[in-house]
Amino acid sequence: DVKVTQSSRYLVKRTGEKVFLECVQDMDHENMFWYRQDPGLGLRLIYFSYDVKMKEKGDIPEGYSVSREKKERFSLILESASTNQTSMYLCASKGTGNSPLHFGNGTRLTVT
Amino acid sequence: GQQVMQIPQYQHVQEGEDFTTYCNSSTTLSNIQWYKQRPGGHPVFLIQLVKSGEVKKQKRLTFQFGEAKKNSSLHITATQTTDVGTYFCAGPLTGGGNKLTFGTGTQLKVEL
Repeated sequence: DVKVTQSSRYLVKRTGEKVFLECVQDMDHENMFWYRQDPGLGLRLIYFSYDVKMKEKGDIPEGYSVSREKKERFSLILESASTNQTSMYLCASKGTGNSPLHFGNGTRLTVT
Repeated sequence: GQQVMQIPQYQHVQEGEDFTTYCNSSTTLSNIQWYKQRPGGHPVFLIQLVKSGEVKKQKRLTFQFGEAKKNSSLHITATQTTDVGTYFCAGPLTGGGNKLTFGTGTQLKVEL
């Protein structure tokens, strides 16, 4: 079974802090994704990566950056956290073609 | 941009009643995937539909992909409390390869 592990389940940060959300997958998947989930808005894609050191913007990249130095790890960075970034963040990975997404358990981030 | 909408946003049913959620895309999709997210959990892949007019069944769940490949539906017959959760459809962005755009989701509650 594919395992996608997010480093924190809950996180509370202050406005202006730099925040790192980490995600590791164990299935050698090329593709990794960061989504945020908010009530009534579904899952919105922030960034994704299709290979080491490669990244592409999703639908809502503003205020975020990402890093993929190793194939198994994809990090989401909030350079200066703001209260409107309070949300549930979901990491996912997938193999090639039409294979499905495998999600981590999510990180609920609160920015105060 | 490409949008994927789902209706209804919420649905309460009595156990034993049927349930249907509808997914509509603004553009043609090469395939559509359905995911289920239990309360407090993460989205889990249910099924993928690829062909125009395709119908697939998983026990009490029936999935359809429209003839024009712009809409899809999930129908649950005789709901049970284990069906509680949020159901999402997702499709690849036009020319977007591995990126999936998620619908807004339908939250199902089942009462005894």
